[in-house]
Amino acid sequence: NAGVMQNPRHLVRRRGQEARLRCSPMKGHSHVYWYRQLPEEGLKFMVYLQKENIIDESGMPKERFSAEFPKEGPSILRIQQVVRGDSAAYFCASSPQQGPGPQHFGDGTRLSIL
Amino acid sequence: QQPVQSPQAVILREGEDAVINCSSSKALYSVHWYRQKHGEAPVFLMILLKGGEQKGHEKISASFNEKKQQSSLYLTASQLSYSGTYFCGTERRGTGTASKLTFGTGTRLQVTL
Repeated sequence: NAGVMQNPRHLVRRRGQEARLRCSPMKGHSHVYWYRQLPEEGLKFMVYLQKENIIDESGMPKERFSAEFPKEGPSILRIQQVVRGDSAAYFCASSPQQGPGPQHFGDGTRLSIL
Repeated sequence: QQPVQSPQAVILREGEDAVINCSSSKALYSVHWYRQKHGEAPVFLMILLKGGEQKGHEKISASFNEKKQQSSLYLTASQLSYSGTYFCGTERRGTGTASKLTFGTGTRLQVTL
């Protein structure tokens, strides 16, 4: 399966811990997007990255959240000192180029904070 | 700034038709449509790039009125597999990084026998 791969599928953390979410884009795709979805709500844009560059992080909270897409390896969304409000589904999508075109989504990581 | 979708929810009998609307207050560059089933990833349906453009995908088609900043998704002869939540995602015109999608409020569609 050459689709967008996210792991883990489910992640449980206690308040104050760190959460690391990984996303490997589709083969040939160099653009990665992270979205957050609260239960029964729509998807909210967080950050858009290309290899080694953050292009748009306007949707990401300035504190505790960071994202990277290194030259080698998956994109990582990192949440430090998690709080209950961080509980959500985090989806990664990828596309082969900037501009209009389908974004293909991974199965998401369901983050639960105890 | 979030596009508004209507209706919020609709229940259909198998074989019936439905229209889902997506309206934005901002000038749009493109409109994307996705379907998401509960607990699953959103699945891409189609993208519309130009004002007045219409596209079809099996019995699902869509239109994009650039002047009105609106798009409509048409579901004909609905099947049970069409059940799910439909989201429009919009790209705004004139932004330096046009790729991020702003998703609408969602329309929950349930098809019954």
